[in-house]
Amino acid sequence: DQQVKQNSPSLSVQEGRISILNCDYTNSMFDYFLWYKKYPAEGPTFLISISSIKDKNEDGRFTVFLNKSAKHLSLHIVPSQPGDSAVYFCAASKGGSQGNLIFGKGTKLSVKP
Amino acid sequence: ETGVTQSPTHLIKTRGQQVTLRCSSQSGHNTVSWYQQALGQGPQFIFQYYREEENGRGNFPPRFSGLQFPNYSSELNVNALELDDSALYLCASSAGTGAFYEQYFGPGTRLTVT
Repeated sequence: DQQVKQNSPSLSVQEGRISILNCDYTNSMFDYFLWYKKYPAEGPTFLISISSIKDKNEDGRFTVFLNKSAKHLSLHIVPSQPGDSAVYFCAASKGGSQGNLIFGKGTKLSVKP
Repeated sequence: ETGVTQSPTHLIKTRGQQVTLRCSSQSGHNTVSWYQQALGQGPQFIFQYYREEENGRGNFPPRFSGLQFPNYSSELNVNALELDDSALYLCASSAGTGAFYEQYFGPGTRLTVT
């Protein structure tokens, strides 16, 4: 039973436009959420995180929104750049004190020039 | 500052054999976590080591075992390999055990079991 779901395997966006990647979770015990980016032949790289006490966190072009009642989070990338083309993983943790991250299957983002 | 490194890059083993994968953590990090990423899936947590002790384990059988050394590098051992063990094995080091500590991932070891 998947506790973290990324229902879109792929997303294609034009350069300069907004990319919105979605993630749903089922476990209400999750209280810390992260997004990772992965290029081929490299390990995942941390992008941005959000604690369950917040509903938004921004870092430059990246913003994560958390809707706890809907058990849904999203990553917005504005403006999208070709270098953003990668696989994006959503991850969640039960209790920020626990290091084991539970990942979704990922969404492959393609940003076209 | 050296990042997280893993060896070997690729490995081919036969069913029933044993394998050891290695991970060198980033300087200053005392925690190593191991993940298995099957094709088309996200990484799945295997276990975490903190100061040479196991500190949490995912839903993996006992034939998956690990070690952490005094320099905080780590090994993942898998006995009695099965075909389903074919995957990318990722290790991540961090400065602490909680999810608040950023986990820095290595490039992974691609294991193929035939």
